[in-house]
Amino acid sequence: DTGVSQNPRHKITKRGQNVTFRCDPISEHNRLYWYRQTLGQGPEFLTYFQNEAQLEKSRLLSDRFSAERPKGSFSTLEIQRTEQGDSAMYLCASSKTSGSINEQFFGPGTRLTVL
Amino acid sequence: RKEVEQDPGPFNVPEGATVAFNCTYSNSASQSFFWYRQDCRKEPKLLMSVYSSGNEDGRFTAQLNRASQYISLLIRDSKLSDSATYLCVVKDRGGTASKLTFGTGTRLQVTL
Repeated sequence: DTGVSQNPRHKITKRGQNVTFRCDPISEHNRLYWYRQTLGQGPEFLTYFQNEAQLEKSRLLSDRFSAERPKGSFSTLEIQRTEQGDSAMYLCASSKTSGSINEQFFGPGTRLTVL
Repeated sequence: RKEVEQDPGPFNVPEGATVAFNCTYSNSASQSFFWYRQDCRKEPKLLMSVYSSGNEDGRFTAQLNRASQYISLLIRDSKLSDSATYLCVVKDRGGTASKLTFGTGTRLQVTL
């Protein structure tokens, strides 16, 4: 399977704990995006990397959230001191820079439940 | 006001029906437009891009009206397998902005 992969698929944690999610993009894609989706809403943009550089961050990304893409391949999204409001599906997507559409391909997501 | 607005539905239609979804966007500088499909508990997948001249892909027709900042999707001869949430998506112009802005989605249920 050469699509975007995300791990874990599900995470249940207690309020106040830290969690880390991983995303492996499609291998030739140099752009990587994180989105968050809550029930009944469309995905909301969190942050975006081109290679290892984090080029844009949403105001939704509070200080408790940090994302890295150290070697320009996989990325991690860490949430510190989780809150119940952090419960959501965290989606990763990747795309190429070339091409007219630059279609973003999404991974299956990590569903976070904060108790 | 949300950047991308859609009627959340649900739209319940019989198999074979024609159904249309509409979407409005607030940023006149938006550059690119798309419809994504999302099945229940799955990731969004690109259904089609939307061009100013209108475009068709089989039973699906997308239209864009830049002056009115309005996007539509028409599905003809609906199939049971078309049941999903259809997300209207825009991408803005300029800088390093490459993010997609999604509407809330319109849920379609096709029935026998």
